[in-house]
Amino acid sequence: DVKVTQSSRYLVKRTGEKVFLECVQDMDHENMFWYRQDPGLGLRLIYFSYDVKMKEKGDIPEGYSVSREKKERFSLILESASTNQTSMYLCASSYYGAPYEQYFGPGTRLTVT
Amino acid sequence: KNQVEQSPQSLIILEGKNCTLQCNYTVSPFSNLRWYKQDTGRGPVSLTIMTFSENTKSNGRYTATLDADTKQSSLHITASQLSDSASYICVVSGGRGSTLGRLYFGRGTQLTVWP
Repeated sequence: DVKVTQSSRYLVKRTGEKVFLECVQDMDHENMFWYRQDPGLGLRLIYFSYDVKMKEKGDIPEGYSVSREKKERFSLILESASTNQTSMYLCASSYYGAPYEQYFGPGTRLTVT
Repeated sequence: KNQVEQSPQSLIILEGKNCTLQCNYTVSPFSNLRWYKQDTGRGPVSLTIMTFSENTKSNGRYTATLDADTKQSSLHITASQLSDSASYICVVSGGRGSTLGRLYFGRGTQLTVWP
């Protein structure tokens, strides 16, 4: 089975802190994605990567950056956390040959106070 | 504009009853459509995937239908169980000029099954 893991299930940070969310997949997938999910808005794409050191902006990249130094790991970085970044963050991965078949991690519930 | 609309927004049914969730989309060109189940506090898990040529696909008590002409899909749940309580998300892939793996998400239908 494909396994996508995220470093924390719950995280509480203060405004202005730098926050790292880590995602690791064990299926040698080329593509990795970061989404945020808010009530009534559904999932929105923040960034994605289709190869090591490659990244592309999604629909809502402002306030976020990403890092992909290794194929299995994709990090989401909040340079200076703000309260409007309180959300559920979901990581996903997919195989290059089946880009739409995305497997999701369990999510990280981030609260910024 | 590529969009996915789901209805109803929320639904409450009694255990053992059937229900149908709706999904309308405007994504073009269309690649495939998935229904995901998301339990509270968990990531989405795929239930079914349907391509342009498929009309119906079943996964246990879940049956998805697709009408590519009208750009509508439905998810029918039979003999509901308490464990069916979750958010059901319709996800469409495709879109002109889209880069790899672009998905369009509906906002989900929150289903609650009461005993």
